[in-house]
Amino acid sequence: KAGVTQTPRYLIKTRGQQVTLSCSPISGHRSVSWYQQTPGQGLQFLFEYFSETQRNKGNFPGRFSGRQFSNSRSEMNVSTLELGDSALYLCASSAATGVEQYFGPGTRLTVT
Amino acid sequence: AQSVTQLGSHVSVSEGALVLLRCNYSSSVPPYLFWYVQYPNQGLQLLLKYTSAATLVKGINGFEAEFKKSETSFHLTKPSAHMSDAAEYFCAVSVKRGSNYKLTFGKGTLLTVNP
Repeated sequence: KAGVTQTPRYLIKTRGQQVTLSCSPISGHRSVSWYQQTPGQGLQFLFEYFSETQRNKGNFPGRFSGRQFSNSRSEMNVSTLELGDSALYLCASSAATGVEQYFGPGTRLTVT
Repeated sequence: AQSVTQLGSHVSVSEGALVLLRCNYSSSVPPYLFWYVQYPNQGLQLLLKYTSAATLVKGINGFEAEFKKSETSFHLTKPSAHMSDAAEYFCAVSVKRGSNYKLTFGKGTLLTVNP
């Protein structure tokens, strides 16, 4: 089976812009979770989608949003980018219960 | 709420030496436990997992971990370090919340292997 794929791998944006990141889960996986990874804060949970519905949400401002499509692919959007949003954004997929998560390679976002 | 503490943000060993990365967890219900490895500019790769079967779990690349309930620990070991083991390692706990599970990560331990 193909693993989790994320596009793009690298992105440079300017403060105030918005960005959309994409994640395709492992075939058959219906749960997609998003994480932000920074040197200072480590791995922080953003949100999880299951069957096109947000099932869990972390403690991030409303500028961070996501959605999931009927084929389980997910997108994450960040509006009004701030310098502090520079991070590696990781997507993980899992089967229905979400016990075991498999991660993609991540999208490295740099905000200037 | 569950939590994970990884003791030592940076561990340095010589090639061929024992690798020991420490992880302690806190959970009010029986947890599932995981170790992930992250190489530079890559995502997280699952090394091994404890899912309430055998307490000694063997993973990829010669790593293993032992679940000790009395000590709430899940330390990761490898008998002989290789240069290719240099990476960051994350311990994680997954606990059931309603109908699904929540995964919580430790802050990571950077492993350096010296020739």
